[in-house]
Amino acid sequence: AQSVTQPDIHITVSEGASLELRCNYSYGATPYLFWYVQSPGQGLQLLLKYFSGDTLVQGIKGFEAEFKRSQSSFNLRKPSVHWSDAAEYFCAVASGAGTALIFGKGTTLSVSS
Amino acid sequence: DVKVTQSSRYLVKRTGEKVFLECVQDMDHENMFWYRQDPGLGLRLIYFSYDVKMKEKGDIPEGYSVSREKKERFSLILESASTNQTSMYLCATVHRESGNTIYFGEGSWLTVV
Repeated sequence: AQSVTQPDIHITVSEGASLELRCNYSYGATPYLFWYVQSPGQGLQLLLKYFSGDTLVQGIKGFEAEFKRSQSSFNLRKPSVHWSDAAEYFCAVASGAGTALIFGKGTTLSVSS
Repeated sequence: DVKVTQSSRYLVKRTGEKVFLECVQDMDHENMFWYRQDPGLGLRLIYFSYDVKMKEKGDIPEGYSVSREKKERFSLILESASTNQTSMYLCATVHRESGNTIYFGEGSWLTVV
């Protein structure tokens, strides 16, 4: 069965500092991987996705993620965090394109000034 | 623009009531999903459907049922609401034209008293 682990429940980063949010997945075959962001009271917005090809994926809002098969990881990064990035971030895995997503429990990002 | 509409954003229902949560998409998509979101637990899959009149159980189907009579509408039903079903419910659909990206509605906040 597929599963996703986001080891960090809450992270605080200073504005302008770099960010890395960790995600580890469990799945036997090549996974489809996603990062979503959710601002308070809002639905989920897709930041980026990995289906195949280049393991470094660029997304919206200056985010990127790297798929590392050997580590079963798909960590999200941003070189310089803005106060508006404060939100909850979810990593998800699927077995195929368009199939149901299995989510991690989320990481809450706070940005300090 | 991808649009997933959850008609009820905020509901308060009494224990034992039958509750309908509606989700509508106007893009002729086959795949639709219902999730519930709880603090610290992330999003958990309740039911999904890959076509009209088709439904499959997700990870936590107990206490829920669904209806998919038309392609554009996927309804989540709580036959007899209980307080432990107080949660945020999110509907999602797959947009094939953007590489099978899954898009979410804004969510329905349900409180059972």
